[in-house]
Amino acid sequence: AQSVTQLDSHVSVSEGTPVLLRCNYSSSYSPSLFWYVQHPNKGLQLLLKYTSAATLVKGINGFEAEFKKSETSFHLTKPSAHMSDAAEYFCVVMVTGNQFYFGTGTSLTVIP
Amino acid sequence: DAGVIQSPRHEVTEMGQEVTLRCKPISGHNSLFWYRQTMMRGLELLIYFNNNVPIDDSGMPEDRFSAKMPNASFSTLKIQPSEPRDSAVYFCASSRYQLITGELFFGEGSRLTVL
Repeated sequence: AQSVTQLDSHVSVSEGTPVLLRCNYSSSYSPSLFWYVQHPNKGLQLLLKYTSAATLVKGINGFEAEFKKSETSFHLTKPSAHMSDAAEYFCVVMVTGNQFYFGTGTSLTVIP
Repeated sequence: DAGVIQSPRHEVTEMGQEVTLRCKPISGHNSLFWYRQTMMRGLELLIYFNNNVPIDDSGMPEDRFSAKMPNASFSTLKIQPSEPRDSAVYFCASSRYQLITGELFFGEGSRLTVL
């Protein structure tokens, strides 16, 4: 069975401090993993993806994520938060091409 | 290249009325997905098509909902009759079916309010 767990529904950080958004997955197959970001009143936009190449994946806007198979985790990080990073973030697992499983989302607040 | 285009962006209607939401996927993409997003239930997959054929409609809430994809460049999601609990943001997404590296491209969404 496939599932995605985002461990925090809300995260607040101060501007300029690191961001950590946690994601654990469960998959019977070797999954592809994604992080999407959704700004208010917008659609979801791809931040980054892991597809069995390098385990450390770099995305847009300074975000990166590390695939750790032993921990079944795919946490999203950024060294220094910016006000524009305030948004909803979704961790997604893809299995066999068309089966996408979404986490429940983490709302990131950036405090000035 | 244009992204996924949805219309209307906003729709306000009264209970019992028919609602039709439209989606134009990215050219060359052969998979299309309809999602519904609410505060209470988050993001839910309603239905997805592969090569214009509905593959999984298990997420369609009830018979009041129907979706069609008459060709590779157009899909509709229809609600008839609409109810207040259908109020949500409806997203269309498309992808190029691949076993490993496929990713979803989302439209801006259609915000539906049923009074």
